[in-house]
Amino acid sequence: DTGVSQNPRHKITKRGQNVTFRCDPISEHNRLYWYRQTLGQGPEFLTYFQNEAQLEKSRLLSDRFSAERPKGSFSTLEIQRTEQGDSAMYLCASSFHKQEQGSKNIQYFGAGTRLSVL
Amino acid sequence: AQTVTQSQPEMSVQEAETVTLSCTYDTSESDYYLFWYKQPPSRQMILVIRQEAYKQQNATENRFSVNFQKAAKSFSLKISDSQLGDAAMYFCAYSRAGANSKLTFGKGITLSVRP
Repeated sequence: DTGVSQNPRHKITKRGQNVTFRCDPISEHNRLYWYRQTLGQGPEFLTYFQNEAQLEKSRLLSDRFSAERPKGSFSTLEIQRTEQGDSAMYLCASSFHKQEQGSKNIQYFGAGTRLSVL
Repeated sequence: AQTVTQSQPEMSVQEAETVTLSCTYDTSESDYYLFWYKQPPSRQMILVIRQEAYKQQNATENRFSVNFQKAAKSFSLKISDSQLGDAAMYFCAYSRAGANSKLTFGKGITLSVRP
């Protein structure tokens, strides 16, 4: 297993453009999370999926943000009409959750996509 | 709401020495998990150690151990025999047990290791 994969690693865009990031989780993991990390800060939760269902969205996730996990495997995060304040590292993580066993909630992170909005 | 506080922005340790990184948290839950993650420069975040709140015994992983004080809501990380490769940003994180498993992170601490 190659771990959590994120593409692209870096994205530079102009204000007002749309961008899309992709995350491929560890293959047997049924949960997938998106976080945002700005310079000098800890990651902040954005949203998470269990299989294809989006179970929670943070208030940080404005209407310009949308995330999908259509087949319960990879996920995409789209930002429409980007703003300079969207510049950050976008991190994806995955974990395996089995209800009857409880969740150990060990999340494995990808290397992130660094977005720069000019 | 749960919060995680790391009040030391930077720390430095001599190679082969021991260093302790501090973390406090606030929650009204009784069952939860605490984590320390390491983020080397320009590299992905990796789990260092994990503690389950209902376990009184402090977790250990090789040179890494924690001091978990549930009543005080304190969760410090001790790194023994520090190595140059330990230099990184370290984040303390919290999650509830059960269905809602999002991580809440502190601001992190930058650890440098002097040769």
